[in-house]
Parts: sequence; C-alpha cells; structure tokens
Amino acid sequence: QSALTQPASVSGFPRQSITISCTGTSSDVGGDNYVSWYQQHPGKAPKLMIYDVNNRPSGVSNRFSGSKSGNTASLTISGLQAEDEADYYCSTYTSSSLVFGGGTKLTVL
Amino acid sequence: EVKLVQSGAEVKKPGESLRISCKGSGYSFTSYWISWVRQMPGKGLEWMGKIDPSDSYTNYSPSFQGHVTISADKSISTAYLLWSSLKASDTAMYYCARQYYDSSDYYRAWGQGTLVTVSS
Repeated sequence: QSALTQPASVSGFPRQSITISCTGTSSDVGGDNYVSWYQQHPGKAPKLMIYDVNNRPSGVSNRFSGSKSGNTASLTISGLQAEDEADYYCSTYTSSSLVFGGGTKLTVL
Repeated sequence: EVKLVQSGAEVKKPGESLRISCKGSGYSFTSYWISWVRQMPGKGLEWMGKIDPSDSYTNYSPSFQGHVTISADKSISTAYLLWSSLKASDTAMYYCARQYYDSSDYYRAWGQGTLVTVSS
C-alpha cells in the first residue's frame, strides 16, 4: 500500500481540464514542498513533469501545473490532448525515503 | 546530453545472482546521486534506494534493505543493482534515474529500464 493516495483513474475530453489528487499526511505532503509528479507512457520510463509542488522542468508544457493544500497535492492538466493519456505518479521525500503514490491512469476520451 | 544507459533484459532462475548496470554520460558522474526504481508488471513505481557515486554512500528504502545491494564504479561512470539470490517476486522492470539537481530527490534523467524475469 502506497503512502500517498491517488485516484486509480481519471478521464476527460480533449481541450478540457482535469485534476489528479495526491493525499498524504502532515509528515510528508503537508510537511514540506518536496512534491513532484511523473508521467509514464506504456513501455516508457517515467518523465518528471512537476517538482517542488509547482515548478516545471524546462521543456514541459505549461498546460501542466501543480498545487498543494494541506496534506493534498494536485496536478492539473489543462487543454487535454491525446498524448496526455498516460499514468501519473506523485512523489515526495519523507523519513529518508522517496515514496510514490499508487498512480493514476488518465484516459483522454 | 545527460544519458543513462542500462544493461539488457535478463532471464534468471530462482536462487541465482544477478547484477544489472546503469552507465551515465554527458555529465559529471560523481556529482549526482543515482536511484533505482522497481516497477512490477502492471504495477506502480517503487523507490529502492540511491547511491552517491562520489563515495558510494547508499540509502535504501526499508522495503528493499537487505534484499538488494546498490553499488557504483566511478571510474567507469556506472551504477549497479545486485541480487545475491533472486526470487520469482523480483520479476519486474528496473529503472535507474539521476538526481535532477544537487540535494534534490527529483529525477529527470532516466535509463531505458532493464526487464528482469525470474522463473524456474
């Protein structure tokens, strides 16, 4: 069982916006700003999309944004595109360990 | 360009030992930690542990401590993940990943993955 809880699946139509939540505790998500998000397409390595809650690495589309409120972090994807269909994982660092959420499968309808 | 190139797929029997590798290039290998991440078939990502290639200091996830060994040879810019006695439950894809920037636990550069299959 993952330390971070994500919905198993979310879906949306092209051009819509969706939000994926990642719920932890005050000891991890709520305790600092070490939250990141990864995108993984089938058969591919994960890709860093968001770090430090709301920062994007260079080259990542500004359609991806992150936020946090209390013990829950969120990834929002605006203007959904077909290529956004993938698995998404949140992650944080706590007690000297990196932990991932269970992952959320995004389906673009 | 930062690149991590992993060794090829392996098929092993239970009880056998195995070492898979991850060769870094395009950056100073000793300046960034390398982590290993497991992904079992159809499942999510699990952090196994990390190594500082400059001095081979390691930090393991409690879930993997004692089950695997992470090492590095800085002379050839290569990190390793070792098993002394494989189990069927070790069947998974294994990724190495490089720390994004100093002191962070974010990973932007990833290897292509090494598929390990353990079956009698």
